[in-house]
Amino acid sequence: GQQVMQIPQYQHVQEGEDFTTYCNSSTTLSNIQWYKQRPGGHPVFLIQLVKSGEVKKQKRLTFQFGEAKKNSSLHITATQTTDVGTYFCAGSAGAGSYQLTFGKGTKLSVIP
Amino acid sequence: ETGVTQTPRHLVMGMTNKKSLKCEQHLGHNAMYWYKQSAKKPLELMFVYSLEERVENNSVPSRFSPECPNSSHLFLHLHTLQPEDSALYLCASSKGPGSGNTIYFGEGSWLTVV
Repeated sequence: GQQVMQIPQYQHVQEGEDFTTYCNSSTTLSNIQWYKQRPGGHPVFLIQLVKSGEVKKQKRLTFQFGEAKKNSSLHITATQTTDVGTYFCAGSAGAGSYQLTFGKGTKLSVIP
Repeated sequence: ETGVTQTPRHLVMGMTNKKSLKCEQHLGHNAMYWYKQSAKKPLELMFVYSLEERVENNSVPSRFSPECPNSSHLFLHLHTLQPEDSALYLCASSKGPGSGNTIYFGEGSWLTVV
């Protein structure tokens, strides 16, 4: 079945440093979504990427979808303590499928 | 604040107990989901309902029994659970059941089986 691998599993950064998490799928994806889960909280939708090579920005966050639609990345510039949490990617192989396959997530810690 | 409300937030139950988790969405969505989140595994989709009809059951053991009486409410009935079933159970909803739809999660129900 479809697998979505996400690395790294953990990342500790000094406040102000950049952070990147990578997501790789075993199959071509129709779209990929990113979610953030704060400690003790629930996953919250950040963004969806659909097109090959798509790049989207949200303030300090930059999301990319690979040309082959099998990988994606989330880059945070100049991390802040409010960025702490676990970032999940979730992909689907088909637009008609109910199944969103989540990666294991990258847990980000920011040292003040 | 979330448009998907789950109760109870915390539940401790014995292996012989029967309990239920409740979920209500206030977003006017047509699809509802149950996910399981444990420390060792990624978010796992358990069930999907579209307009009150179950459209996906991901090989979930029969000790978990979902119920969707209408498009706003979803239950997960639990009986004779095992300690390894201890996890965070997340309810979610979306406009439609397709994977391109944004999923809105509830705050989750922390379940501990003793």
